[in-house]
Amino acid sequence: QSALTQPASVSGSPGQSITISCTGTSSDVGGYNYVSWYQQHPGKAPKLMIYDVSNRPSGVSNRFSGSKSGNTASLTISGLQGEDEADYYCSSHTSSSTQVFGGGTKLTVL
Amino acid sequence: QVQLQESGPGLVKPSQTLSLTCTVSGGSISSGGYYWSWIRQHPGKGLEWIGYIYYTGSTYYNPSLKSRVTISLDTSKNQFSLKLSSVTAADTAVYYCAREGGGSSYDPWGQGTLVTVSS
Repeated sequence: QSALTQPASVSGSPGQSITISCTGTSSDVGGYNYVSWYQQHPGKAPKLMIYDVSNRPSGVSNRFSGSKSGNTASLTISGLQGEDEADYYCSSHTSSSTQVFGGGTKLTVL
Repeated sequence: QVQLQESGPGLVKPSQTLSLTCTVSGGSISSGGYYWSWIRQHPGKGLEWIGYIYYTGSTYYNPSLKSRVTISLDTSKNQFSLKLSSVTAADTAVYYCAREGGGSSYDPWGQGTLVTVSS
């Protein structure tokens, strides 16, 4: 199974909004509403930010939102803050009942 | 709240078997609805799904690792384990255990443990 495709890096200024894409196929992202997003700070374990495409776990800021269109899912962060600077990963269920992650996107807050 | 903690050797010799255990506290691995998972991250790289096990014992593995991976449960100790055989330097990574609540949502995660494969 191939990793989902994410941009290597994105950047934005404080207060701005950014969007990170996650592109798969009809066998994963496009076939199920089972896409999640994770935030990972250096040296730390990943943290679940979005699940089932657009749901936020309790305690996650509403500045984080998710969506999906066809084979591409997206994570949008509005009102960028310095603490948002981190690596972000998407994941998806697959038609083989396995899981696949994206390659990761480094977010820089300018 | 549920917490996970990885344990095991930090150094494994090439061709040997990597063995890690994840201890779950604050909840039972025998309760339904969750897949108990292993995920790894090569140094400076992205996340790679290794596989998971359901409380019934059903397992699912990454096709690229399937021939070398075994994930098992020990309900008496509330633990689950990872064995990866015939390791090479390419298996050097931080290994995480995590609970999958359905739909590819991993939460919580263990803190991760670095395993280095070297002679």
